[in-house]
Amino acid sequence: NAGVTQTPKFQVLKTGQSMTLQCAQDMNHNSMYWYRQDPGMGLRLIYYSASEGTTDKGEVPNGYNVSRLNKREFSLRLESAAPSQTSVYFCASSRRDPGNEQYFGPGTRLTVT
Amino acid sequence: RKEVEQDPGPFNVPEGATVAFNCTYSNSASQSFFWYRQDCRKEPKLLMSVYSSGNEDGRFTAQLNRASQYISLLIRDSKLSDSATYLCVVNRNNDMRFGAGTRLTVKP
Repeated sequence: NAGVTQTPKFQVLKTGQSMTLQCAQDMNHNSMYWYRQDPGMGLRLIYYSASEGTTDKGEVPNGYNVSRLNKREFSLRLESAAPSQTSVYFCASSRRDPGNEQYFGPGTRLTVT
Repeated sequence: RKEVEQDPGPFNVPEGATVAFNCTYSNSASQSFFWYRQDCRKEPKLLMSVYSSGNEDGRFTAQLNRASQYISLLIRDSKLSDSATYLCVVNRNNDMRFGAGTRLTVKP
């Protein structure tokens, strides 16, 4: 099992450009999440999906959109990137709700100039 | 005030030492608690859940004090491989909040 995979690993964008971060899990988990991690701060939840077909906002959703394409895949889209979105983005999944163990992908390092 | 607070460290200890980290949380309605470990430039991984009665996993002991709203992690007989950042995580109604982490370096 690959677990949770993310693409790309690194990305540099100019302000105003758009991109989609891809995430997939092969553990048959119901719930999936997108976090961002910034220096000196804990991981902050952007969006989550408790099950296929549902998505909910987390702590910091502004500037992002998500799609739960199917049970395996959960993508994060930046429509118009801003320097404040420079961060490391982690995708995670869990069997059911977040109170269970979360498994994280390797992360995407995004720089917006 | 952050919802989950940790001393950022760094804690620099020799091999074999015992080291303890604390974490405080602000929401008394928090329901479940975890310690995650994150190596440099890697993803977080679950180290252990924290139960009300306290729990132990080998050299690691986690404790919860609901009255004072803090969680602790004790590492005995530190190994070089324990060097990492330890993240305190608090869950309330499926809203997981992460602390910024405590950095530990174990030296030979």
